[in-house]
Amino acid sequence: DAGITQSPRHKVTETGTPVTLRCHQTENHRYMYWYRQDPGHGLRLIHYSYGVKDTDKGEVSDGYSVSRSKTEDFLLTLESATSSQTSVYFCAISAPGLAGRSYEQYFGPGTRLTVT
Amino acid sequence: GENVEQHPSTLSVQEGDSAVIKCTYSDSASNYFPWYKQELGKRPQLIIDIRSNVGEKKDQRIAVTLNKTAKHFSLHITETQPEDSAVYFCAASTTGFTTNTGNQFYFGTGTSLTVIP
Repeated sequence: DAGITQSPRHKVTETGTPVTLRCHQTENHRYMYWYRQDPGHGLRLIHYSYGVKDTDKGEVSDGYSVSRSKTEDFLLTLESATSSQTSVYFCAISAPGLAGRSYEQYFGPGTRLTVT
Repeated sequence: GENVEQHPSTLSVQEGDSAVIKCTYSDSASNYFPWYKQELGKRPQLIIDIRSNVGEKKDQRIAVTLNKTAKHFSLHITETQPEDSAVYFCAASTTGFTTNTGNQFYFGTGTSLTVIP
């Protein structure tokens, strides 16, 4: 599982509250990603990071911010949660040469977020 | 940006039959095409991938083919078994490790495969 954990695994929150999801990896990979998964949309990239303090937006970044102050942690923050942000959130890492191959992407276990 | 389309969205086959899932992509710069299997409530798991310098790759009962000219790639599962039932996602990516910013992956919308015993 490439040493990726996510916390919390489940969360219910109210509209308007801030929420932070954490992705933690133990293998010092440089590239980390946050996706959301919704029925009919597959996996959509929210933000990604290519190093400590180096981040960039994905295709669905509105309403989300990220931070990466340490190689091992990539945080996703919903500044003011809305019902449209109810989703399953997956963190992923990507590394060249992982398991002897290049450019693979591996996913964390996911966080199910419900905004009421 | 890249646009990946995946068909069909649902697929039912009898156990032992073959299943084929097709994806198209739009960006000719894409050169890495992984396939993921996701069981209910679990994370997507990489099952096979192909790079643009290869036309076909096999791993036991699964194979992937790539047609760069037509910009499409396909997943083939032979001798299907009930445990093959899952959602399958294709993806496309450009290899960006020569730059500082890594590579983005663009996913299809998934195919729900059901293998009927």
